Amino acid sequence: ETGVTQTPRHLVMGMTNKKSLKCEQHLGHNAMYWYKQSAKKPLELMFVYNFKEQTENNSVPSRFSPECPNSSHLFLHLHTLQPEDSALYLCASSPGTVEAFFGQGTRLTVV
Amino acid sequence: SQQGEEDPQALSIQEGENATMNCSYKTSINNLQWYRQNSGRGLVHLILIRSNEREKHSGRLRVTLDTSKKSSSLLITASRAADTASYFCATVPTDSWGKFQFGAGTQVVVTP
Repeated sequence: ETGVTQTPRHLVMGMTNKKSLKCEQHLGHNAMYWYKQSAKKPLELMFVYNFKEQTENNSVPSRFSPECPNSSHLFLHLHTLQPEDSALYLCASSPGTVEAFFGQGTRLTVV
Repeated sequence: SQQGEEDPQALSIQEGENATMNCSYKTSINNLQWYRQNSGRGLVHLILIRSNEREKHSGRLRVTLDTSKKSSSLLITASRAADTASYFCATVPTDSWGKFQFGAGTQVVVTP
């Protein structure tokens, strides 16, 4: 248990659905991240938030919309996704540059 | 963009043997870290080595760093079946605060 909780653990959604992924940490970390993990590919850094401000948007399509209402919570809003968006979505938090703490991930399947 | 790249992509060994995997990266870094991921779960931090360090040990893990070659290695000694997992290196470039960049990982299978 790393202290970072992601919900739901599994999600199946149709291409016209809207859903949200949630990430929560009470470790007192200032930075939070969304990563996408597809089979046989490097982890793709999607978004970085530092003190609730977005500091990185790694050319992510607008059908992915992040939200960070406070330093403990991070959301990823999903809208009109494509089948190729099916992947494991990982949230992480960090106090700085020495270690990232990951949640267990949300396995997303777009049908 | 991808920063770390692990080699080999997959490794199969027997219990008791050592497992070695390598990581290459592209830019100047503050530190390099190794993580482990069990199937379909989150990554767990194993060990960090700073840019001014050359070798570090933690239990059965030994990490080396060669900044002139921009490479690192992770050695797991006396492997166990429970070491079966994917192993990733992560770098934090000097010009990117808190931007952990990972490779595709090395999948290690340890058979009893």
